[in-house]
Amino acid sequence: AQKITQTQPGMFVQEKEAVTLDCTYDTSDPSYGLFWYKQPSSGEMIFLIYQGSYDQQNATEGRYSLNFQKARKSANLVISASQLGDSAMYFCAMREGRETSGSRLTFGEGTQLTVNP
Amino acid sequence: DTGVSQDPRHKITKRGQNVTFRCDPISEHNRLYWYRQTLGQGPEFLTYFQNEAQLEKSRLLSDRFSAERPKGSFSTLEIQRTEQGDSAMYLCASSYGQAFWTRGDTQYFGPGTRLTVL
Repeated sequence: AQKITQTQPGMFVQEKEAVTLDCTYDTSDPSYGLFWYKQPSSGEMIFLIYQGSYDQQNATEGRYSLNFQKARKSANLVISASQLGDSAMYFCAMREGRETSGSRLTFGEGTQLTVNP
Repeated sequence: DTGVSQDPRHKITKRGQNVTFRCDPISEHNRLYWYRQTLGQGPEFLTYFQNEAQLEKSRLLSDRFSAERPKGSFSTLEIQRTEQGDSAMYLCASSYGQAFWTRGDTQYFGPGTRLTVL
């Protein structure tokens, strides 16, 4: 079974509008972390935002926010006020286990976001 | 701040040759990860070091693959007798666990090494 599912292969948004990228996950571990990364055409993976399984509040980082719904096992990324430079591939990833242990990230297949002028 | 660096950025080789990639993590990071990414897919985990100890290896890491991290600093990933199926982007990431400023043991990635096997 897929541990991370991103159901939107491609998304389009108008500049200055908000967009939501979907991510659902599957784990039986009570301790886990959820991450979003951006990968422009240049190839480098850029960390955007992190949400811990025990965090009470949704994470926010500038224009990025994470809509964390634990019961539904979803961790959707919301980008507000889209910019042309936001056009990229976006990956949702999960780390299982406590952060003190160190562990692999499991990635979804990504969503290609295109911001139109 | 110096980020994660990888060398070379691109490598073209013939099938059957050996290749070696290098990764230099962020200097204070004690954990180092290798991932492989094929076109249109998310990265897949290969292996992980904490300091100089290799703590986890994926089943993807066949006998032809070996990774080292001597002295807990830079790491090398070697592929012996390359095959066309090895063509991919090889990504290195580092993190510093147990530090308040890297919440969640956040992994920071390098620019990757793109391998093409002819």
